[in-house]
Amino acid sequence: NAGVMQNPRHLVRRRGQEARLRCSPMKGHSHVYWYRQLPEEGLKFMVYLQKENIIDESGMPKERFSAEFPKEGPSILRIQQVVRGDSAAYFCASSFTGGRSYNEQFFGPGTRLTVL
Amino acid sequence: GEDVEQSLFLSVREGDSSVINCTYTDSSSTYLYWYKQEPGAGLQLLTYIFSNMDMKQDQRLTVLLNKKDKHLSLRIADTQTGDSAIYFCAESIPYNTDKLIFGTGTRLQVFP
Repeated sequence: NAGVMQNPRHLVRRRGQEARLRCSPMKGHSHVYWYRQLPEEGLKFMVYLQKENIIDESGMPKERFSAEFPKEGPSILRIQQVVRGDSAAYFCASSFTGGRSYNEQFFGPGTRLTVL
Repeated sequence: GEDVEQSLFLSVREGDSSVINCTYTDSSSTYLYWYKQEPGAGLQLLTYIFSNMDMKQDQRLTVLLNKKDKHLSLRIADTQTGDSAIYFCAESIPYNTDKLIFGTGTRLQVFP
């Protein structure tokens, strides 16, 4: 059973380009979380998705960022018109259940985005 | 509010015990976690504690929770060089999601 997979592992973009980050959850997991880690900081929650639904996007910047988790295929975090401040490590986590019970989130290796 | 704080650095000698501290503010937290992050890698869950417990022990790891003071600690016994990493505490917020609120991380350096 493969763990959470993210690709690409490293992504370089110039200012104004688009970045697309992919996350394949663990087999059997239907809950996906995205977190962002700025240099020398902890992880900050961005968005929580279930298949075809955004459940909580309270941590997403209001503009340029979007996320989806289609019925088939990986979850995608999309950043339009990237700026230097978007440079960070983006981590995806998946879980079997969501809600109020114990719910271990398994983390992927992250995508390190560098904006030139 | 949601805020989790940790000291930034800890340096210990190999074989000694390490104690990493964390304070949190959301008293409705259900679970509190300790994660380990090695350079260039993702996060590995080390252990967790339910908020109605005071202590949990798992091999070399001991977690202490003082709910009154909202203080969480992780003790690593017989610290090894392989324990050198960044350690994050996190709390889960029990509303309709289980998003994790992370601390700033403590960089543990173990020297021989």
